[in-house]
Amino acid sequence: DTAVSQTPKYLVTQMGNDKSIKCEQNLGHDTMYWYKQDSKKFLKIMFSYNNKELIINETVPNRFSPKSPDKAHLNLHINSLELGDSAVYFCASSRGQSIYNSPLHFGNGTRLTVT
Amino acid sequence: AQKITQTQPGMFVQEKEAVTLDCTYDTSDQSYGLFWYKQPSSGEMIFLIYQGSYDEQNATEGRYSLNFQKARKSANLVISASQLGDSAMYFCAMREGLGTYKYIFGTGTRLKVLA
Repeated sequence: DTAVSQTPKYLVTQMGNDKSIKCEQNLGHDTMYWYKQDSKKFLKIMFSYNNKELIINETVPNRFSPKSPDKAHLNLHINSLELGDSAVYFCASSRGQSIYNSPLHFGNGTRLTVT
Repeated sequence: AQKITQTQPGMFVQEKEAVTLDCTYDTSDQSYGLFWYKQPSSGEMIFLIYQGSYDEQNATEGRYSLNFQKARKSANLVISASQLGDSAMYFCAMREGLGTYKYIFGTGTRLKVLA
């Protein structure tokens, strides 16, 4: 199946721990994203990579570090987790060059709970 | 300033009726894309419909249509013949201009379809 897949689906961890979320897309897209959805359902962009190059880096704590080993993969590593990091994290991809009929394709999300 | 505004936090509609979800946007670009997404309670983000700024006709996809009024900077989603399965959060999003990779989302509207 062609899709954006991210793992794990659920992540429960304690404050201070380090965790990673992995994302892969097989849609042939050249641009990948991380979005954070908070408890009020607001979707905020965090990072974006185009052809493995970081192109968007919003105001995100340094504890969050994305890595894109190739165009099809984008991982998110979070150090020293805090309670406020609890949210749903979505990976997404798109055909970056064209804004025309180029929707974001989302993974199913990773629900991170920090206790 | 909000780039995407969805003024209806929640809406109710009777099954089989039509419903309009409002979205206004703010941009000075001539080229931009507008998107609607559905997020059911299961959490995934589903792309519904796209409208390009240069498209002269309103986009339609099955029971979804987009009422695009460029001068008013509005891109309302119309769902015809509502079904119980349409109950979900709906997000309006915009991608501005050429060379911009960022998709900005509104705060969403929660739609409840009543039997």
